[in-house]
Amino acid sequence: AQSVTQLGSHVSVSEGALVLLRCNYSSSVPPYLFWYVQYPNQGLQLLLKYTSAATLVKGINGFEAEFKKSETSFHLTKPSAHMSDAAEYFCAVSDSGDKIIFGKGTRLHILP
Amino acid sequence: DADVTQTPRNRITKTGKRIMLECSQTKGHDRMYWYRQDPGLGLRLIYYSFDVKDINKGEISDGYSVSRQAQAKFSLSLESAIPNQTALYFCATRSRTGRNTEAFFGQGTRLTVV
Repeated sequence: AQSVTQLGSHVSVSEGALVLLRCNYSSSVPPYLFWYVQYPNQGLQLLLKYTSAATLVKGINGFEAEFKKSETSFHLTKPSAHMSDAAEYFCAVSDSGDKIIFGKGTRLHILP
Repeated sequence: DADVTQTPRNRITKTGKRIMLECSQTKGHDRMYWYRQDPGLGLRLIYYSFDVKDINKGEISDGYSVSRQAQAKFSLSLESAIPNQTALYFCATRSRTGRNTEAFFGQGTRLTVV
């Protein structure tokens, strides 16, 4: 079975600082991984996805994630946080049964 | 217009009532999903459907039922609502082209059971 674990339900960073949101996966098949963002009172929007073409994946709004098989990780980063990045972020994995399984989410707070 | 539309956006209902949440999509996708979001628990899968005649239970299907009326429509019903079904519900669609395709979400339905 496939699953993802997000470390830290809440993360706070100062505006302009590095954003690092952690995600580790478990998968018995080659994983397909996703990061989604949820802004207040909105649905989920895809930030980026890993599909084995490249280990460093660039997404929207300056976010990127690196797939590390040896560490079973797919951490999300952004060099410089902006106030508009405050949201909840979900890591997800596509399982062998064609479902998408989500982590519990990390709420990102941006400090002025 | 949104690609995935959920109605209603907000609903307050009483314990014991039957309620239906509706989802329609214009993306032409075969796969449709219903998720429930609770604080600290992320999104949990309730039911999913790969076509009109293929409906499957997810991890938390008890107390829920679904109907796939057409390729574009997937409804979620709570037969007898209870307070712990108060949550944010999302419908999602996905194309059949492979595990590497992303899901597209509706705006959500906030359901409160009193």
